[in-house]
Amino acid sequence: SQTIHQWPATLVQPVGSPLSLECTVEGTSNPNLYWYRQAAGRGLQLLFYSVGIGQISSEVPQNLSASRPQDRQFILSSKKLLLSDSGFYLCAWSVLVAQETQYFGPGTRLLVL
Amino acid sequence: AQSVTQLDSQVPVFEEAPVELRCNYSSSVSVYLFWYVQYPNQGLQLLLKYLSGSTLVKGINGFEAEFNKSQTSFHLRKPSVHISDTAEYFCAVTPTGFQKLVFGTGTRLLVSP
Repeated sequence: SQTIHQWPATLVQPVGSPLSLECTVEGTSNPNLYWYRQAAGRGLQLLFYSVGIGQISSEVPQNLSASRPQDRQFILSSKKLLLSDSGFYLCAWSVLVAQETQYFGPGTRLLVL
Repeated sequence: AQSVTQLDSQVPVFEEAPVELRCNYSSSVSVYLFWYVQYPNQGLQLLLKYLSGSTLVKGINGFEAEFNKSQTSFHLRKPSVHISDTAEYFCAVTPTGFQKLVFGTGTRLLVSP
């Protein structure tokens, strides 16, 4: 069966520091991968999605970037964090034959101080 | 573009009572519809989905939803709730043939004894 991992689970970072969040999927090949952000009391906002290695689509312009160095690895990064980057970051995956259905990881809670 | 409206931000209910969480969507094309549940500090779990066929969809944990195309609604129901159903519930939509979900802002279900 497929599983999705995210780490770290929780992160507290100062403003202006860099960020790297990692997501990996097991048990499937060539998944679509997604990064979402959930701000306090709000819904989910799609940040990036990827249909293959090195293929990244950005949905919202911001100081975040994403990379997909391996088939089942998706990384969210920032060079300099802002206070507004605080939130709950969720990674999700879907398979090519049923790409409408997404499955979510446990999330990373980021607090920027 | 698609949009999702969850009119109720919070729904309080007593244990063993029935509940309905409302979801309305807007789209000029055919869509797939989803309900996800999020327990505190966790990722999203897929409850149920409508892709085609019967408009009454049954999901996990005793939940069901009915797709009403004329009213552009996809309300979630459960005949008898438990304390453990306390969580945030998200409705989501994607155009058929696409893989990007649009989420509502969520409804917090509060079940009390």
